[in-house]
Amino acid sequence: DTEVTQTPKHLVMGMTNKKSLKCEQHMGHRAMYWYKQKAKKPPELMFVYSYEKLSINESVPSRFSPECPNSSLLNLHLHALQPEDSALYLCASSQDGSLNTEAFFGQGTRLTVV
Amino acid sequence: KQEVTQIPAALSVPEGENLVLNCSFTDSAIYNLQWFRQDPGKGLTSLLLIQSSQREQTSGRLNASLDKSSGRSTLYIAASQPGDSATYLCAVPRPYSGAGSYQLTFGKGTKLSVIP
Repeated sequence: DTEVTQTPKHLVMGMTNKKSLKCEQHMGHRAMYWYKQKAKKPPELMFVYSYEKLSINESVPSRFSPECPNSSLLNLHLHALQPEDSALYLCASSQDGSLNTEAFFGQGTRLTVV
Repeated sequence: KQEVTQIPAALSVPEGENLVLNCSFTDSAIYNLQWFRQDPGKGLTSLLLIQSSQREQTSGRLNASLDKSSGRSTLYIAASQPGDSATYLCAVPRPYSGAGSYQLTFGKGTKLSVIP
């Protein structure tokens, strides 16, 4: 099983809402990632958890807040987003954070901020 | 800084044709290179991972080659089918934040259309 499961598939939220994106994998991977992909652009890294330790990306606004409850689950909490935050949010995992491991991606959450 | 380039940006071929997608990278000190497929509005599906010590990797009708010294990889698709229509992305890992993690640097992708 090489599946990374993301929920929901689609999300529409207002700028004052609070919502969460969820990601789950059961491959025993110890590194999990959030990427953001704008239309016709490649994915860009937002956050990395390696062995449940967060690596902060200083360029990501604080209205995005990641959480890793355990090694199989990854959440992305959203608050006070802007319309420009509308994008495809991708979760990924790898065996660990070492450079020679394969990354597996989920099907993404299409987020629209209105 | 690693830069990854994919040419062409778009490619249209008739069904049954063999085709090659190109990926180049500026820093040859890579650990591996991964090829992905992305259908419109969907996530990324890993197609092939080719380690730096390998020259080729095959999966079904797909064959990926890697030439580190020239900073190039190719993805060969044999006997193309309409179902192969998608965007193909290549990516290389680089250390992130020195905390035992990495990030992928992606090319902008090649959008492939296979015409029935």
